[in-house]
Amino acid sequence: AQSVTQPDIHITVSEGASLELRCNYSYGATPYLFWYVQSPGQGLQLLLKYFSGDTLVQGIKGFEAEFKRSQSSFNLRKPSVHWSDAAEYFCAVAMNTGNQFYFGTGTSLTVIP
Amino acid sequence: KAGVTQTPRYLIKTRGQQVTLSCSPISGHRSVSWYQQTPGQGLQFLFEYFSETQRNKGNFPGRFSGRQFSNSRSEMNVSTLELGDSALYLCASSPPLGTSTDTQYFGPGTRLTVL
Repeated sequence: AQSVTQPDIHITVSEGASLELRCNYSYGATPYLFWYVQSPGQGLQLLLKYFSGDTLVQGIKGFEAEFKRSQSSFNLRKPSVHWSDAAEYFCAVAMNTGNQFYFGTGTSLTVIP
Repeated sequence: KAGVTQTPRYLIKTRGQQVTLSCSPISGHRSVSWYQQTPGQGLQFLFEYFSETQRNKGNFPGRFSGRQFSNSRSEMNVSTLELGDSALYLCASSPPLGTSTDTQYFGPGTRLTVL
């Protein structure tokens, strides 16, 4: 069965520090990969996505993610976090047919001044 | 282009009642998916509609149902509400790429509280 694992439930970083959020998936083939961010009381906003090609993808708000097939991972990174980055982050995978997405349980990010 | 809209944003119901939530996708999007988000279970897929047909379904009881209209607007219905149905219900729409997955764009959600 397909699954998405975000090992870190909660992460705290200082403003200006670098950030890496982990995501591992279990899937029969290379899925489509996504990172979404959710602010309190809001829906999910797409940060970036990987379908094929270059394994390092750039997203909005200065985020990037790297797909590593050998590790079944799609980790999200940001070189310098801002206080406004505090939110819940979700990794998601989907097959390349149909629209059924599988989400990880999320990582809550706290940014301290 | 307007985003995905969901109505109502907040809803309070009592056990045993039924509720209908509405979702209007981004103009031109024909696929609409519904998710339930709770602190304990995270985001769980309910179902997906494409061109008025349910294309995918998650593992939820039959009390949860949905439909899609010819203008791609979708509704989901929960009958005989239980306390555990309290959640944020999110709707997402996707561009018209046939059977290929693209990206899901989410609405702000409807916060349902069951008392």
